[in-house]
Amino acid sequence: DVKVTQSSRYLVKRTGEKVFLECVQDMDHENMFWYRQDPGLGLRLIYFSYDVKMKEKGDIPEGYSVSREKKERFSLILESASTNQTSMYLCASSYPGTSGNFYEQFFGPGTRLTVL
Amino acid sequence: DQQVKQNSPSLSVQEGRISILNCDYTNSMFDYFLWYKKYPAEGPTFLISISSIKDKNEDGRFTVFLNKSAKHLSLHIVPSQPGDSAVYFCAASGSSYDKVIFGPGTSLSVIP
Repeated sequence: DVKVTQSSRYLVKRTGEKVFLECVQDMDHENMFWYRQDPGLGLRLIYFSYDVKMKEKGDIPEGYSVSREKKERFSLILESASTNQTSMYLCASSYPGTSGNFYEQFFGPGTRLTVL
Repeated sequence: DQQVKQNSPSLSVQEGRISILNCDYTNSMFDYFLWYKKYPAEGPTFLISISSIKDKNEDGRFTVFLNKSAKHLSLHIVPSQPGDSAVYFCAASGSSYDKVIFGPGTSLSVIP
């Protein structure tokens, strides 16, 4: 079974703090993703990575950065947390699809981040 | 503007009856569609998919129908069970795309 784990289920941070969200997958997947889920908006892609040290911006990268130093680990960084970054953060991984598509993704359980 | 739309935020169905979840998309370049199911406090899990070269794909109690001319797909669950109560996300991608686009989700409640 594919396992995607996230470092924390719940986090509470203060405005202006630097926040690190960690994600680890154990299936040797090339592709990894960070999404945020908000009511009525579904899952919105923040960043994704298709290889070690490679990263691509998703639909809402502002205020976030990522790091992928090892194949199994993909970190999301909030440089200076703000209240509008309060959300559910979901990490996912997948094999590379044909023509560079990312189809069936395996998700972690999510991190509920609250920024006060 | 959302490229993948699920216009019903919620749906309630009696146990044993059919659940029909609908999804519309605007981008004609999409050629692969997926449904994910999400329980509270868990990540989404892949349920079923369909390629644009097909109009139907079936997996047990779950069937997805695709109407390309209408840019519409639907997920049928027959018979519905209480354990099917979850949020269902429709998603789309394509050979000219480098990411999967998710809809806002529909919360399904199956009433015993």
